[in-house]
Amino acid sequence: DTAVSQTPKYLVTQMGNDKSIKCEQNLGHDTMYWYKQDSKKFLKIMFSYNNKELIINETVPNRFSPKSPDKAHLNLHINSLELGDSAVYFCASSLASGISEQYFGPGTRLTVT
Amino acid sequence: KQEVTQIPAALSVPEGENLVLNCSFTDSAIYNLQWFRQDPGKGLTSLLLIQSSQREQTSGRLNASLDKSSGRSTLYIAASQPGDSATYLCAVKEAAGNKLTFGGGTRVLVKP
Repeated sequence: DTAVSQTPKYLVTQMGNDKSIKCEQNLGHDTMYWYKQDSKKFLKIMFSYNNKELIINETVPNRFSPKSPDKAHLNLHINSLELGDSAVYFCASSLASGISEQYFGPGTRLTVT
Repeated sequence: KQEVTQIPAALSVPEGENLVLNCSFTDSAIYNLQWFRQDPGKGLTSLLLIQSSQREQTSGRLNASLDKSSGRSTLYIAASQPGDSATYLCAVKEAAGNKLTFGGGTRVLVKP
């Protein structure tokens, strides 16, 4: 059973389009995250939700909007896609926002042409 | 602002040799430190989590140490195997806040 799953795995789209990436965890965790891994392989936090509430919002363009319909899901919607948005986006979850490990999904490779 | 550095960026060793991967961080006020493995085109697999009050954690051939005061952690992999080839990432969770700050990773190649 997949603990943290993301769809789609690959996404190729043109500049200016709007797209969404979905994330689901079946671990019963309270906290979920979105990270971006750029072409140089650096991973950076974008957002964190705890029990459907936003608790971290790093310096991310407001074209990126996370949505958490329930604590098992955290989706990422991106408006007006730009070339620089091309990256691998990882979803993660943890039992709580404190001491627990973060478990990562397989990633979504977004390519904007 | 927390910064995490991993040196070297890449490492190549013959099979059977022990691996030593280094991670340093600038702000010692951390909650925990986590080591991950990332295979090409894949997600991250958590290897070890060390709480700030601990000095080391062990799992099989893996041992991670933490020296919070000097801002360092080391991941030791004993008797390396070709299957250990991957990128290893360390990440720290700060005491204030919920996010992980990642290092740039060390890409390891174990040659048969």
